[in-house]
Amino acid sequence: DAMVIQNPRYQVTQFGKPVTLSCSQTLNHNVMYWYQQKSSQAPKLLFHYYDKDFNNEADTPDNFQSRRPNTSFCFLDIRSPGLGDAAMYLCATSKTPDKIGVETQYFGPGTRLLVL
Amino acid sequence: TQLLEQSPQFLSIQEGENLTVYCNSSSVFSSLQWYRQEPGEGPVLLVTVVTGGEVKKLKRLTFQFGDARKDSSLHITAAQPGDTGLYLCRGGGADGLTFGKGTHLIIQP
Repeated sequence: DAMVIQNPRYQVTQFGKPVTLSCSQTLNHNVMYWYQQKSSQAPKLLFHYYDKDFNNEADTPDNFQSRRPNTSFCFLDIRSPGLGDAAMYLCATSKTPDKIGVETQYFGPGTRLLVL
Repeated sequence: TQLLEQSPQFLSIQEGENLTVYCNSSSVFSSLQWYRQEPGEGPVLLVTVVTGGEVKKLKRLTFQFGDARKDSSLHITAAQPGDTGLYLCRGGGADGLTFGKGTHLIIQP
C-alpha cells in the first residue's frame, strides 16, 4: 500500500546531541511537510518542500533544518536538541493543490522524540 | 494571524450518545478540513468543505461549514468507541494553513 513511513517511531537523544529523523513516501507526491506536535497541542508546521524548493516558516528556529535528496525522502535535522524540542514530529505529503487548503495531506505515524 | 478555536477541548461520553464539537474563528477561511488523530498515529483527513453553508455527511459524522465561512461543526450520531481520538480542524486562507488545538474525544463502552 502507498504510504508515508517515518523512522524511527521513537527516538531518544541527549541534550545538544544532533539527531536526524527520516520520512519516506511511496505516494510520489511533490510536496512534503514537517510538523512539530507537542502534547495536547495542534501540529505546528516547521517547513515544507514543494519539489526541491524549501519553504521555511517564519518562526521555525534555526536549530531545525531539513533535506530532501529526492522525491521519496525527506529528513529533519535538529542540530542541538533542547529539552523544549521533545515532541512528536509528523511528516506529511500532498499533491500540488489547485487551491490552497483543499489538498489532502497524508500523514506518517510520527516520531516521538525524547531529549534527556 | 488566523486563529481557530476548538471546543470543547475535552469530551468524554457514553457509547450511543450524540455529540457536537465546534471550530470557530474571527477570520474567513476559503476552506476548512477536519482530521482525526488516534493515539500514536498521524492525523487522517475526514472531510474538506469549501462553500459557506455546506453540509457533508460521512456515515454517522455530519460536517457543516458556517455561512460566513468562519466556523464549522462536527456532529457524531450514536458515538462508538472507535470514534475516540483527537479531532482537529484546519483552515485554509490568506495566511496559509492553520490547525486548531483539537478536541480530545473519548467514547466509553
